Amino acid sequence: SAVISQKPSRDICQRGTSLTIQCQVDSQVTMMFWYRQQPGQSLTLIATANQGSEATYESGFVIDKFPISRPNLTFSTLTVSNMSPEDSSIYLCSVEDLSAVDGAFFGQGTRLTVV
Amino acid sequence: GEDVEQSLFLSVREGDSSVINCTYTDSSSTYLYWYKQEPGAGLQLLTYIFSNMDMKQDQRLTVLLNKKDKHLSLRIADTQTGDSAIYFCAAKAAGNKLTFGGGTRVLVKP
Repeated sequence: SAVISQKPSRDICQRGTSLTIQCQVDSQVTMMFWYRQQPGQSLTLIATANQGSEATYESGFVIDKFPISRPNLTFSTLTVSNMSPEDSSIYLCSVEDLSAVDGAFFGQGTRLTVV
Repeated sequence: GEDVEQSLFLSVREGDSSVINCTYTDSSSTYLYWYKQEPGAGLQLLTYIFSNMDMKQDQRLTVLLNKKDKHLSLRIADTQTGDSAIYFCAAKAAGNKLTFGGGTRVLVKP
């Protein structure tokens, strides 16, 4: 299975600022995704990070708030912009290789607290 | 869209078997997964089952799939204190997107 490194693991940020989260995979993968897990909740897909093109966002998530980059097949970033306390969540990077059947693997997550 | 439901909480004694249940709505779901999340950690993929299978066993884990009823279960044999965690089921349907259930918190009592 792929090894996923996510940075930072946690951060406390002031409202109105932005935070960029990095996701690095140890092998080339077809698909990379970003999820949000609000406190005590399940996972919600934010977007699919597409290599070399704009990310595909799910309903309720927009590029201005969550800009995503994916410059190659092993790396992606998610920025949480103009943060408010409601953005306090765990943000998780996920990868999947469509040539394998064993599903999506997750990074350790970034625990974000906005004060 | 797909909807995945799980019970919220399960308490079990150490050494007993745990059974976590999950239902989903999209009959075209191709793969179904079980993930484990320990406090402060990401999600660990435990096991998966393809939609044309009824059962899959992997050491202490047994997955049962009733495709007619769209019901999935995870049985953990000889439950240990280290099995205390939140367990998520997830279904993959169109577009290779995963839809997660709300998670079942399993508490193992000594």
